[in-house]
Amino acid sequence: SYVLTQPPSVSVAPGKTARITCGGNNIGSKSVHWYQQKPGQAPVLVIYYDSDRPSGIPERFSGSNSGNTATLTISRVEAGDEADYYCQVWDSSSDHPVVFGGGTKLTVL
Amino acid sequence: QITLKESGPTLVKPTQTLTLTCTFSGFSLSTSGVGVGWIRQPPGKALEWLALIYWDDDKRYSPSLKSRLTITKDTSKNQVVLTMTNMDPVDTATYYCAHRVATRVVYFDYWGQGTLVTVSS
Repeated sequence: SYVLTQPPSVSVAPGKTARITCGGNNIGSKSVHWYQQKPGQAPVLVIYYDSDRPSGIPERFSGSNSGNTATLTISRVEAGDEADYYCQVWDSSSDHPVVFGGGTKLTVL
Repeated sequence: QITLKESGPTLVKPTQTLTLTCTFSGFSLSTSGVGVGWIRQPPGKALEWLALIYWDDDKRYSPSLKSRLTITKDTSKNQVVLTMTNMDPVDTATYYCAHRVATRVVYFDYWGQGTLVTVSS
């Protein structure tokens, strides 16, 4: 089945830009979705179709996807952005069609 | 407004069967393209997709758990039920149900609050 690889942790100072990567074989040919999960809470969709934002998600959150890497970018990071972030793809040709990455813990210094 | 809520036992014994119910509102599982998925998360670990049921009753399962899982829907009650047989302590996790957007790919735009299931004798 398809594998998504995320760094376990990313640290960033307030006001700076955080970039969280999601690696997969030719992931650029798939649509990538990102979820934010704060402690004790359910995941929240923050980016879908690589770079679209649901209503209510700040413009500071953006996404890109090309080649073997998708990236979630959080600009002007705030303390409230500290959370775990998961990427997800749908692999229609697989018998395991819904795949999540291992998650990245974003720490705001 | 779409909402989902999981319900079921908080504690099950090893070898028992787990039955979880997802009760939702704000959408209909008879609407073309709509689906409901189950995802779990062991304490301190990553999200793991379990199963997905579509409006047309098509079902997909995680291959590693397929032999133990059954997903069904009751459109009239706005419920989706997941059963998992032969529970083991490694199945201890928070179980989430989530709404699948009616689109060409699968992602989840609304999630339930989750329910923690502990497997222990």
